[in-house]
Amino acid sequence: AQSVAQPEDQVNVAEGNPLTVKCTYSVSGNPYLFWYVQYPNRGLQFLLKYITGDNLVKGSYGFEAEFNKSQTSFHLKKPSALVSDSALYFCAVRDWDNYGQNFVFGPGTRLSVLP
Amino acid sequence: NAGVTQTPKFQVLKTGQSMTLQCAQDMNHNSMYWYRQDPGMGLRLIYYSASEGTTDKGEVPNGYNVSRLNKREFSLRLESAAPSQTSVYFCASRMNTEAFFGQGTRLTVV
Repeated sequence: AQSVAQPEDQVNVAEGNPLTVKCTYSVSGNPYLFWYVQYPNRGLQFLLKYITGDNLVKGSYGFEAEFNKSQTSFHLKKPSALVSDSALYFCAVRDWDNYGQNFVFGPGTRLSVLP
Repeated sequence: NAGVTQTPKFQVLKTGQSMTLQCAQDMNHNSMYWYRQDPGMGLRLIYYSASEGTTDKGEVPNGYNVSRLNKREFSLRLESAAPSQTSVYFCASRMNTEAFFGQGTRLTVV
């Protein structure tokens, strides 16, 4: 079975500082990995994905994520945080137990960027 | 281009009442999903539909039914609402890799 862990419920960072939101995963097949962001009272928005290729993937709004196969991690990063980055972030993997039809989401990490 | 549209955005039900949550996508995607979001638990899959005419149970299907009316529409029905079904419900669709989400329905059962 696939699973996703986000070890931090909350991450606080000062505006202008680098941010990292952590994700580790367990999959039975190829790790198709995703990051989504949820702003208050909104749906989830796709940020970036890793399917294959370069371990460093770049996404929307200046975010990037590093795939590390040996550590089974896919941490989300941004070099300089903005107050507007404050939101709930979800890591997800494709669920290969159902022929890749579904996604398994982590519990979410709330990011607060302080001015 | 509306993407994934859910209705209603908010709903309050009394225990035992029924209702249907509507979802439509205009991206010609094959797969559609219903998730519920509860604090600290992420998103949990209720039902999904891999293509028009097919539906399958997800992680938490009890108390729910779905209909894939056509390629565009995927509805979620609560036959007899219970307070444990108080949650935020999201519909999503997918063609290849990533999923696209609607804005959610906040449902309260009293």
